[in-house]
Amino acid sequence: DAGITQSPRYKITETGRQVTLMCHQTWSHSYMFWYRQDLGHGLRLIYYSAAADITDKGEVPDGYVVSRSKTENFPLTLESATRSQTSVYFCASSEWDGEAFFGQGTRLTVV
Amino acid sequence: AQSVSQHNHHVILSEAASLELGCNYSYGGTVNLFWYVQYPGQHLQLLLKYFSGDPLVKGIKGFEAEFIKSKFSFNLRKPSVQWSDTAEYFCAVTPEFGSGNTGKLIFGQGTTLQVKP
Repeated sequence: DAGITQSPRYKITETGRQVTLMCHQTWSHSYMFWYRQDLGHGLRLIYYSAAADITDKGEVPDGYVVSRSKTENFPLTLESATRSQTSVYFCASSEWDGEAFFGQGTRLTVV
Repeated sequence: AQSVSQHNHHVILSEAASLELGCNYSYGGTVNLFWYVQYPGQHLQLLLKYFSGDPLVKGIKGFEAEFIKSKFSFNLRKPSVQWSDTAEYFCAVTPEFGSGNTGKLIFGQGTTLQVKP
């Protein structure tokens, strides 16, 4: 089915471990985004990508790494997870106009 | 840099009451504007969008929003809310195509709406 899928849906990891959240879209949208959602902060942009091999920092990029070797995939890596990175992570894709389509989210807990 | 501010963090209404949620943005150029809704336990979905033209835009489920360029505002309204409108509402902005940072979609902090039956 066409859409945007995130995996895993739930993840518990330990402080200091590396963890990668996956995002895959089937629309061939140019733009892809990673947001984190925290109570009181709404959605904050971590990184975004305008096309394959083009990425840029958002509002809260520290501690995260992204890559986009293929248009359809946009993985987010936490290089060394910290408790402050416990959050719900949403991936989204859009064309140039900004109308974004969201994945179901990944709930990450860092213990 | 662009930013979005939503003034109401938590709104409680009774069914049939009217709703207005405030949204102001900060950006020097032309923007595309959006309202998204997130029902409990779900992902975000588009309610309505404004690109150009009539500043009063209508969305799904009876929602509408008015773009006032001079006030950098894009307020969401609904004449009569229902219990099923209980959700979190997000305003978002992206620079118009051809502007710097095209496609960079920034969200406000969100407004939690609770509708009492």
